Amino acid sequence: AQSVTQLGSHVSVSEGALVLLRCNYSSSVPPYLFWYVQYPNQGLQLLLKYTSAATLVKGINGFEAEFKKSETSFHLTKPSAHMSDAAEYFCAVTLSGGYQKVTFGTGTKLQVIP
Amino acid sequence: DAGVIQSPRHEVTEMGQEVTLRCKPISGHDYLFWYRQTMMRGLELLIYFNNNVPIDDSGMPEDRFSAKMPNASFSTLKIQPSEPRDSAVYFCASSGTGGYGYTFGSGTRLTVV
Repeated sequence: AQSVTQLGSHVSVSEGALVLLRCNYSSSVPPYLFWYVQYPNQGLQLLLKYTSAATLVKGINGFEAEFKKSETSFHLTKPSAHMSDAAEYFCAVTLSGGYQKVTFGTGTKLQVIP
Repeated sequence: DAGVIQSPRHEVTEMGQEVTLRCKPISGHDYLFWYRQTMMRGLELLIYFNNNVPIDDSGMPEDRFSAKMPNASFSTLKIQPSEPRDSAVYFCASSGTGGYGYTFGSGTRLTVV
């Protein structure tokens, strides 16, 4: 079975500051990992995904995440926060090798302070 | 591509009534998922289809819930009879082969009073 843990249900950053959202995974086999963003009253939108190619993955809106097997982590970062980044972010994991059930984290709400 | 289309966006119904939620996946996607999102339980996978066939419905909370996918471009989630505890946002998502990297619809916010 696989799972993800998102550390911090709420994160606040100042506009222009570094964004760091933490995600640790647990998986018995090599995982595929994802970050999704949900804006108010909208569905989830795929930000980026790791599927065993490059360990540093770049996504939309300037976000990136690095897969670190030794730390079982897949943290999401952005060098400079914009007001438009305020949303809820979900980390998700599944097992490689054909469709396997995707498990979502509990989400982290990002607040950007002007 | 218009993305995954869900209707209605909002539904308010009285307890005991039948509710039908609709979803049109992205053309060419062969996986379709129904999720429910609540503050208390987060995102829950209710059921998913592959090539219109239900594969795993273990997340369907009880027999009052049913889902169908009569063709590749349409799916429904039905609740009969509805109860206040069914109030949630219901999302439909679709994906290509392998089921990775979902595209979500905008959701249906269901309120049962």
